[in-house]
Parts: sequence; C-alpha cells; structure tokens
Amino acid sequence: GEDVEQSLFLSVREGDSSVINCTYTDSSSTYLYWYKQEPGAGLQLLTYIFSNMDMKQDQRLTVLLNKKDKHLSLRIADTQTGDSAIYFCAETAYSDYKLSFGAGTTVTVRA
Amino acid sequence: NAGVTQTPKFRVLKTGQSMTLLCAQDMNHEYMYWYRQDPGMGLRLIHYSVGEGTTAKGEVPDGYNVSRLKKQNFLLGLESAAPSQTSVYFCASSHPGLADYNEQFFGPGTRLTVL
Repeated sequence: GEDVEQSLFLSVREGDSSVINCTYTDSSSTYLYWYKQEPGAGLQLLTYIFSNMDMKQDQRLTVLLNKKDKHLSLRIADTQTGDSAIYFCAETAYSDYKLSFGAGTTVTVRA
Repeated sequence: NAGVTQTPKFRVLKTGQSMTLLCAQDMNHEYMYWYRQDPGMGLRLIHYSVGEGTTAKGEVPDGYNVSRLKKQNFLLGLESAAPSQTSVYFCASSHPGLADYNEQFFGPGTRLTVL
C-alpha cells in the first residue's frame, strides 16, 4: 500500500487539546480516516473525511485535510483520560476498498 | 448483534505447527479482511475477500492461506508457523453498499506467539 506516516507518541495534559498529525503519499486517496484502538481491543472508526473537504467537525473532534501537502490532522478538544488510546490514520482510494494504515500514535493523557 | 468475533483470543505455537484462526461476522457484510499488527508498523493487510468464495492477496500474504466458504466466516490458516508470524491478528468486515466511506468493523484480535 501507499505510505502513511504519523508520529508514534503524544503526551497531553487532561483538559488540553491534542493534535495528531499524519502524512500520506497516495494522491488518489478519496477517504481518510481516524481509527481509535483502546487497550486490548480492536479498532473503531472515530471519524473520516472525504478528499474534497478541508475540515470536518464532530463534537470534540476536528479533522483538517490539506490535500496539496497530503497532510491530515485530528484535534481532540478538552482531552479526557478516556481519550488515552492508539490513534491510526488510514486512507483508501475510491476504486479500492482496502485501507492503508499508519503506524499509530499512542496518546497518553496525564492528570 | 455480536459484530465481528475472532477465535481464539490467544494462542502459543511451536515453530512448524499449523493452526487456523476463525473470524465470524453477523452483519451480512460482503467484504472481509485479515490484518496483522506489529509494534511500530501499524496494520498490514494479509488477505481479503470481496464475497463468498473469493479471496485475494494483500500486502503481506506469504505464509498464510485463507478461505471464505460461507459469507459470514473468513478463515486464516498458518500451515507451518514461524517466529516471524508472532503478531496480533485482526479480522475486519465492511459492506461498501451501506455508505460511501466504507467503514471497516474490527474484531477484538488474536494474539499469536510462535516459539
């Protein structure tokens, strides 16, 4: 699959905002996703964005997409201890339902 | 609905042994996938299936075989396990017709250790 890169770790204080960044290389990406994995569990879709959008907001979550730079970010406002998890960036092209995942960013929320 | 279930949850094998991992979904999804998750590498696609009776290779298919004899089940086989196959295996399913963004639903994973 195409390369999807993200930083591996992020530590944030409870109540602050978290920003997780991701870059991808496939210019034909149509959907980009953020999946969340809690300890000992499978992945769950957190949010997604279509490639013709540059921003999507869903409650505490804000997704920004810079298609020119192939950069995706996820902002979590008012980060809580329950937000501690691994966050995966993923992308797919329209004609191909396979996902390419990044390595995952482990977010640790400290009191 | 149970969603996506995987059997077993944990397994320890010796090099050269064989085993089959079972994935089942009760959502009537067409597509099913097997991934492996290794530290620092994210999820990599092993094999996938776009319908009953069909399978296709993913990014890392060597050493694995799959079968999709029934729509709800997707089996992953290791014929001769190697230590390099120590990993956490995730099954997922999706149904492209439900929504354009094709959400994949994941099972809880199988942690496999090959000694």
